[in-house]
Amino acid sequence: DSGVTQTPKHLITATGQRVTLRCSPRSGDLSVYWYQQSLDQGLQFLIQYYNGEERAKGNILERFSAQQFPDLHSELNLSSLELGDSALYFCASSVSGTSGGLAYEQYFGPGTRLTVT
Amino acid sequence: AQSVTQPDIHITVSEGASLELRCNYSYGATPYLFWYVQSPGQGLQLLLKYFSGDTLVQGIKGFEAEFKRSQSSFNLRKPSVHWSDAAEYFCAVGARGGADGLTFGKGTHLIIQP
Repeated sequence: DSGVTQTPKHLITATGQRVTLRCSPRSGDLSVYWYQQSLDQGLQFLIQYYNGEERAKGNILERFSAQQFPDLHSELNLSSLELGDSALYFCASSVSGTSGGLAYEQYFGPGTRLTVT
Repeated sequence: AQSVTQPDIHITVSEGASLELRCNYSYGATPYLFWYVQSPGQGLQLLLKYFSGDTLVQGIKGFEAEFKRSQSSFNLRKPSVHWSDAAEYFCAVGARGGADGLTFGKGTHLIIQP
């Protein structure tokens, strides 16, 4: 158990809908990262938040957004869903998250499997 | 832009045999390198990491990896595999301090033959 929790575990929804995925980082970790894992694209970094602020963006679609709350949990919002958005979405957390920070490692949650029908 | 290449999509190894999974990276600065393992239906578990110093790093479950800057490689090894090692293995590269996401390879699927 990495200490990172994600809810829900599974989500089935229809095209055009909007969903929210939730992540709670390990105790003491300030950074949250979101990743998408699909068969054709592999594991792709979407976005990072550090202590409530957006820190880095990867291959995140404009239909997707995220935020990190004062208690450091994070939510990933996916809207206008398409069939191609079906994937496993992982959240990871780490202690650091800035270029001047110490070396770090990311701990991954169990993921949310999203199926768009 | 950084990239990670895992040349072997699948590898089959007999139980008790040694294992080496290959990883090559391309990164403009000092790379921070990781190996993760993913069992079916599970999240990613960190096996080991390289930040600096000794180029041979030890990880969990008896795994080790060697960083070779001249070859831009970070290969994962285990002297004797167990059936429970069957899983997907991912090599990843990251930026200093975690100020960005990790870039992952496509993964190597490890099959253990009895």
